[in-house]
Amino acid sequence: DTGVSQDPRHKITKRGQNVTFRCDPISEHNRLYWYRQTLGQGPEFLTYFQNEAQLEKSRLLSDRFSAERPKGSFSTLEIQRTEQGDSAMYLCASMSGTLYGYTFGSGTRLTVV
Amino acid sequence: DQQVKQNSPSLSVQEGRISILNCDYTNSMFDYFLWYKKYPAEGPTFLISISSIKDKNEDGRFTVFLNKSAKHLSLHIVPSQPGDSAVYFCAASLRNQGGKLIFGQGTELSVKP
Repeated sequence: DTGVSQDPRHKITKRGQNVTFRCDPISEHNRLYWYRQTLGQGPEFLTYFQNEAQLEKSRLLSDRFSAERPKGSFSTLEIQRTEQGDSAMYLCASMSGTLYGYTFGSGTRLTVV
Repeated sequence: DQQVKQNSPSLSVQEGRISILNCDYTNSMFDYFLWYKKYPAEGPTFLISISSIKDKNEDGRFTVFLNKSAKHLSLHIVPSQPGDSAVYFCAASLRNQGGKLIFGQGTELSVKP
């Protein structure tokens, strides 16, 4: 068990391009979360999955954002037509049954130029 | 609206002394509070937590105090060590919200030798 893995670690993209991030949770964790963190702020909740079902989406997740978790394993977060305001650290976390087991990945830092 | 607030962006403490990090919240329905520590280029790592039915939880050098009437919690680190230098986030969860966490803005702690 290597913890929560996120790929890529860094992504620089031009405004208007699409980007996709991947998260591999801890294998036995059935819940997977996506957060976004901007400079000087704490992580903000975006969405979460219980197995393959997406159970909640924040209003921060505009129509340009989509997340999937096929077969309840890894998850992808796609941003279409990126904007400069999308520049942030995107964090993935997974959890089994208790909050003690809430584990974050190292994040993907997105820079939109 | 910021439901969890950390009003001190930074704190500097001498090695060996006590570090006290503060967090205020507005929602009396929060049932669990957690502290996370974050180093640059890494995801947040769980430090210590407290249930809303308790007023104190201790784990080695780390103690969290909860004052429900004041809607305030604090993290005490004693003695502080240079390796404790990091950004500390306070987070809260609501029962039956699927484990979604609401974070404060963070406090950057610097422990000087």
